[in-house]
Amino acid sequence: GQQLNQSPQSMFIQEGEDVSMNCTSSSIFNTWLWYKQDPGEGPVLLIALYKAGELTSNGRLTAQFGITRKDSFLNISASIPSDVGIYFCAGQNQAGTALIFGKGTTLSVSS
Amino acid sequence: KAGVTQTPRYLIKTRGQQVTLSCSPISGHRSVSWYQQTPGQGLQFLFEYFSETQRNKGNFPGRFSGRQFSNSRSEMNVSTLELGDSALYLCASSPLASQETQYFGPGTRLLVL
Repeated sequence: GQQLNQSPQSMFIQEGEDVSMNCTSSSIFNTWLWYKQDPGEGPVLLIALYKAGELTSNGRLTAQFGITRKDSFLNISASIPSDVGIYFCAGQNQAGTALIFGKGTTLSVSS
Repeated sequence: KAGVTQTPRYLIKTRGQQVTLSCSPISGHRSVSWYQQTPGQGLQFLFEYFSETQRNKGNFPGRFSGRQFSNSRSEMNVSTLELGDSALYLCASSPLASQETQYFGPGTRLLVL
């Protein structure tokens, strides 16, 4: 079945640093989503992207829908300790079909 | 608006038993999806219901089943539990029939002994 390759698997950074993570797919997606999951909780939707080339921001977070429609990236600027968690990308290739999730990027921030 | 709620939050069962998990979507959302999350496999799609009908199904054995009620609340059932069924079971609801933007509940942590 379809798979999303999310990288890096984990990151250890200092508070204040910028972070970048990305997802790639072997097939085209029409929608890309980015979620964050805190321990013991369900994933929380951060950013949704619906159009190739689209660049969307949510506070210190910025995500882009790749122009090939096979990739997406998420940037976090000026990281803070509460950014710690697991970040997931998810894609949908057709309306009404199930989302496919990446394996996640675990972010650790030291102050 | 209240978020997605799932009950129970934690559950311990033994092999061979069955379990039923419940999910109440965000008010007005008609699509409910279920996922299994494990450290090794990540988030894996189980099934999705829309207007009481199963619309999509993932690659899980028939021991995993679900249903949706007329008020959009959903339940999933796992029969003949196996050790490998230990996982966080997440429910997500979507306001759209296209299912693209999903909002997750906190999950039910199931431990099978």
